[in-house]
Amino acid sequence: DQQVKQNSPSLSVQEGRISILNCDYTNSMFDYFLWYKKYPAEGPTFLISISSIKDKNEDGRFTVFLNKSAKHLSLHIVPSQPGDSAVYFCAASPYSGGYQKVTFGTGTKLQVIP
Amino acid sequence: ETGVTQSPTHLIKTRGQQVTLRCSSQSGHNTVSWYQQALGQGPQFIFQYYREEENGRGNFPPRFSGLQFPNYSSELNVNALELDDSALYLCASGPSGRGDTQYFGPGTRLTVL
Repeated sequence: DQQVKQNSPSLSVQEGRISILNCDYTNSMFDYFLWYKKYPAEGPTFLISISSIKDKNEDGRFTVFLNKSAKHLSLHIVPSQPGDSAVYFCAASPYSGGYQKVTFGTGTKLQVIP
Repeated sequence: ETGVTQSPTHLIKTRGQQVTLRCSSQSGHNTVSWYQQALGQGPQFIFQYYREEENGRGNFPPRFSGLQFPNYSSELNVNALELDDSALYLCASGPSGRGDTQYFGPGTRLTVL
């Protein structure tokens, strides 16, 4: 049962335009959402997060939007740069017991075309 | 550079064998988590250790076990290997168990024949 879903395996965007990566989740216990970026031959690196008490969080060119009623979140990258080309994982976790069991989606491969 | 290293980079084993994968974290990273990433999938949480004790586990059988040592190194042990255990194994360490402060290593690619 895939509790975090990224339905677009890949996305191509022109440099300078907006990239929008989408993610859906099914588990109502998820309370904290994260995006990770992964380059080939490297481990994922944390990019941005959002708590369920917010609907938007910004960090430079990256903005994450959360729609709790729809169980949907999205990552916006503006403007997109060639160095943003990577696999992006959406992830979610509940706050529980002093640790966070992070559940990942299957990833979206973003290609930013110069 | 995350300061988290894993060894070996690649490993080939046969079904039924046992394997030990290693992870070395930064000083001060009291928490280490292990993930399994099968081809085309996202990382799946195996378990997390905090100060040498397991404090959370995903849906993995007991033949997946771990150890964490005081020198910020850790191990993932898998017994009775199955073909489906072929995957990239990632460790992630951090000062707490939070997902936004965990730093991933590059992973160990395990192939089971």
